[in-house]
Amino acid sequence: DVKVTQSSRYLVKRTGEKVFLECVQDMDHENMFWYRQDPGLGLRLIYFSYDVKMKEKGDIPEGYSVSREKKERFSLILESASTNQTSMYLCASIVKGGTRPQHFGDGTRLSIL
Amino acid sequence: DAKTTQPPSMDCAEGRAANLPCNHSTISGNEYVYWYRQIHSQGPQYIIHGLKNNETNEMASLIITEDRKSSTLILPHATLRDTAVYYCIVSSKVRGTGNQFYFGTGTSLTVIP
Repeated sequence: DVKVTQSSRYLVKRTGEKVFLECVQDMDHENMFWYRQDPGLGLRLIYFSYDVKMKEKGDIPEGYSVSREKKERFSLILESASTNQTSMYLCASIVKGGTRPQHFGDGTRLSIL
Repeated sequence: DAKTTQPPSMDCAEGRAANLPCNHSTISGNEYVYWYRQIHSQGPQYIIHGLKNNETNEMASLIITEDRKSSTLILPHATLRDTAVYYCIVSSKVRGTGNQFYFGTGTSLTVIP
């Protein structure tokens, strides 16, 4: 089974801090995604990456950046955390091409105080 | 991008079949329908997907109408553990590299003892 692991289930940070959320997948998937999930808004795509060192903006990239130095790892960075970035963050991965489903991690619930 | 419409909530008696509808009237010919569910505090879990034929696996059945404008996810014998939010998603290609999923707000299914 595909395993997508997010480094923290719960995280509390302060306004203005630089925050790193890490995601690792063990199935050699080319594509990786970061979403945030908020009540009433569903999942919204922040960034995705289709190869090492490649990244593309999703629907809500403002205030975020990403890093993909190795194929198995995709990091989401909050450059200067703000309270409106308090949310559940979900990472997903998928093999390149075809119609296979995305596989998700269990999420990181981030609180910015 | 194709969008989906689902009822916000549904109830189902334990042991009965749960039928979850989804409208996707703008779906394109090569777009698949995917179903996921999310149990509280976990990441979305893949259930099933299909193009135009009905599909069945160990978790559920997927019925897609002939015109592909709607589908129904069927959980044949709902249990309390099936209480979750169910998402119907229509994928779209991301520059030919894979599928980008647009999650809506889903259907909150409550299985009642």
